[in-house]
Amino acid sequence: DQQVKQNSPSLSVQEGRISILNCDYTNSMFDYFLWYKKYPAEGPTFLISISSIKDKNEDGRFTVFLNKSAKHLSLHIVPSQPGDSAVYFCAASDRGSGNTGKLIFGQGTTLQVKP
Amino acid sequence: EAQVTQNPRYLITVTGKKLTVTCSQNMNHEYMSWYRQDPGLGLRQIYYSMNVEVTDKGDVPEGYKVSRKEKRNFPLILESPSPNQTSLYFCASSLIAGYEQFFGPGTRLTVL
Repeated sequence: DQQVKQNSPSLSVQEGRISILNCDYTNSMFDYFLWYKKYPAEGPTFLISISSIKDKNEDGRFTVFLNKSAKHLSLHIVPSQPGDSAVYFCAASDRGSGNTGKLIFGQGTTLQVKP
Repeated sequence: EAQVTQNPRYLITVTGKKLTVTCSQNMNHEYMSWYRQDPGLGLRQIYYSMNVEVTDKGDVPEGYKVSRKEKRNFPLILESPSPNQTSLYFCASSLIAGYEQFFGPGTRLTVL
């Protein structure tokens, strides 16, 4: 049972436009959400996170939105740059009682930003 | 430089030959974890450690062992590797459980 899903395996956008990557989750106990970026032959790199008490978090060109009622989060990249081309993973965590620190990852979305 | 290192980066071995993948972090993190990445499945946790001498199973622990004798090191041991353990493995660490995890560069393992 996939608790975190990224239903779009790939996304292609033009340089300078907005990239929107989506992620859905099923476990209502998740209270912390993260996005990671992964280049080939490298480990995932942390991008941005959001706590369930917020609905938006910004860091430069990256903004994460959380819609708890829909169990949906999205990552917006504005403006997109060719260097943003990578695989993006969303992840979720339950930091409540019995916190194991485990991150549950989605399958990943490959973003291609065309010059 | 703050980092998580893994060795080896690439390994081809045969069924049944014991191997160890090392992981080390220099950030004084309490929490460490091992994941495997397989196509279409994202990253799945194998084992984790809340602190020295404290380890526990993740979602896919079968066929793996770990140890945490020192804070900085968290080796992954495959006592008798099988072809279904062919995968890309990542070690990760965080200051404490539940916070952002920093990942190593990965170890690509092929078991023939």
